[in-house]
Amino acid sequence: EPEVTQTPSHQVTQMGQEVILRCVPISNHLYFYWYRQILGQKVEFLVSFYNNEISEKSEIFDDQFSVERPDGSNFTLKIRSTKLEDSAMYFCASSESRPFSYEQYFGPGTRLTVT
Amino acid sequence: DAKTTQPPSMDCAEGRAANLPCNHSTISGNEYVYWYRQIHSQGPQYIIHGLKNNETNEMASLIITEDRKSSTLILPHATLRDTAVYYCIVREGTSSQAGTALIFGKGTTLSVSS
Repeated sequence: EPEVTQTPSHQVTQMGQEVILRCVPISNHLYFYWYRQILGQKVEFLVSFYNNEISEKSEIFDDQFSVERPDGSNFTLKIRSTKLEDSAMYFCASSESRPFSYEQYFGPGTRLTVT
Repeated sequence: DAKTTQPPSMDCAEGRAANLPCNHSTISGNEYVYWYRQIHSQGPQYIIHGLKNNETNEMASLIITEDRKSSTLILPHATLRDTAVYYCIVREGTSSQAGTALIFGKGTTLSVSS
């Protein structure tokens, strides 16, 4: 069964450093998403991406964040200057665009630890 | 904020049916009810969704009341591996909403014990 994959599974970085989290969505999916979950808290939406541009973003997704689809398979989240409060699980998801069926399929996540 | 209300926790004995309720009294006519679950910090997993008819798949059944103000997710024979946080989410299913965010609440923590 096709699945979303994410690398790395765990990333440790120092405050102020840039990190890039990588995702490979399911191959025939057209919508891509990033969510995060701070330990013990709710899953929070960050951004959605379609047709090579951001289609929706939350207030969390400020100027320190950016997303890119650098090739036909990868989807990345860049955090430019990490802060301690960026420590969280980051989940990538993808979905098809067929009408009335918008279930999103999530990857296993990348645990980001900022020290 | 999430448009749904769920109990914070529930217990279920292994092999028994787990019935997880969800209230969505402000649901509108074009909004679907989706259920996801999250097993111990893994990525959320889609379970099932419905508009107004009851739905069943290999994982679960979804029962939606006639007025659509509440629903119940049924795991017919719960196993230890079904221990997870279960999220009930309502969102539009029209093409204009494709690609929009899932808004997760706190969900229901289901504990299945032997």
